[in-house]
Amino acid sequence: QKEVEQNSGPLSVPEGAIASLNCTYSDRVSQSFFWYRQYSGKSPELIMSIYSNGDKEDGRFTAQLNKASQYVSLLIRDSQPSDSATYLCAANSRYNFNKFYFGSGTKLNVKP
Amino acid sequence: EAGVAQSPRYKIIEKRQSVAFWCNPISGHATLYWYQQILGQGPKLLIQFQNNGVVDDSQLPKDRFSAERLKGVDSTLKIQPAKLEDSAVYLCASSQGSSWGRNGSSYNEQFFGPGTRLTVL
Repeated sequence: QKEVEQNSGPLSVPEGAIASLNCTYSDRVSQSFFWYRQYSGKSPELIMSIYSNGDKEDGRFTAQLNKASQYVSLLIRDSQPSDSATYLCAANSRYNFNKFYFGSGTKLNVKP
Repeated sequence: EAGVAQSPRYKIIEKRQSVAFWCNPISGHATLYWYQQILGQGPKLLIQFQNNGVVDDSQLPKDRFSAERLKGVDSTLKIQPAKLEDSAVYLCASSQGSSWGRNGSSYNEQFFGPGTRLTVL
C-alpha cells in the first residue's frame, strides 16, 4: 500500500455544488495532512492543513480528518469553474517529520 | 514574505547534454526539497536537505543527478547526461521544520517554488 492514495478522477461537479475529494493513508504517515491545489502548468499551492481529528473550515474549504478510518477529505462548497484543478493530498512521514508523502492527485472539473 | 524562487522556468536540451537548476528557499527555512513531477503524477522526492546536509537521497539517480546546498541556503540540482525520461517539471520546496500549534500538536508545512519545466529531445 502506498503511503497516501487518491482517486485520480476526473471528478466532475456542476457550478455551485459541493465537491468532495478523498484521500486514504497508511500507518507510515504521521497525523499531519495537507491539501495542495495545482492548476495545469503551475506548481502546487498549499490551501489547507489539518492536524487534529474532525473538521477545519477556511472559507469555502473544509478539511476533514478521520484517524480511526485513516482518511482525510477536502470539501469545496459552492464550487466555481476557477476551482478546476488537480488536488494533491500530502502527509508527513511518521519517521521523518520533515519528509512529505504525496498522493497522485485528483483532477476536479467544475462545469459552468 | 518572498516565496521559493527557482530558475530557469523552462529549459529545452538534447539528450546527453547537461543542465542545472537553481533554487532559493523561503528565508529561514532549514529544509529544502527537490521533487520531480511527471505529468499526471504526484511529486516524487529526489533529495531532501536539512541545512546543508543531505537527509534523504534514496530516490536520486546518482549516476546522473547531483545536488548541493553548500551554505545551507540556496541549492542547485544538476543532470548530466540527460535522458529522454528526465523530461518533467522539477520542483523545489522548503519548510521551516516543526512548529507547535495552539492545541500542542506539532506541524510542518511545505511550500513550493514555480518549478522548472525540462524538455529533453
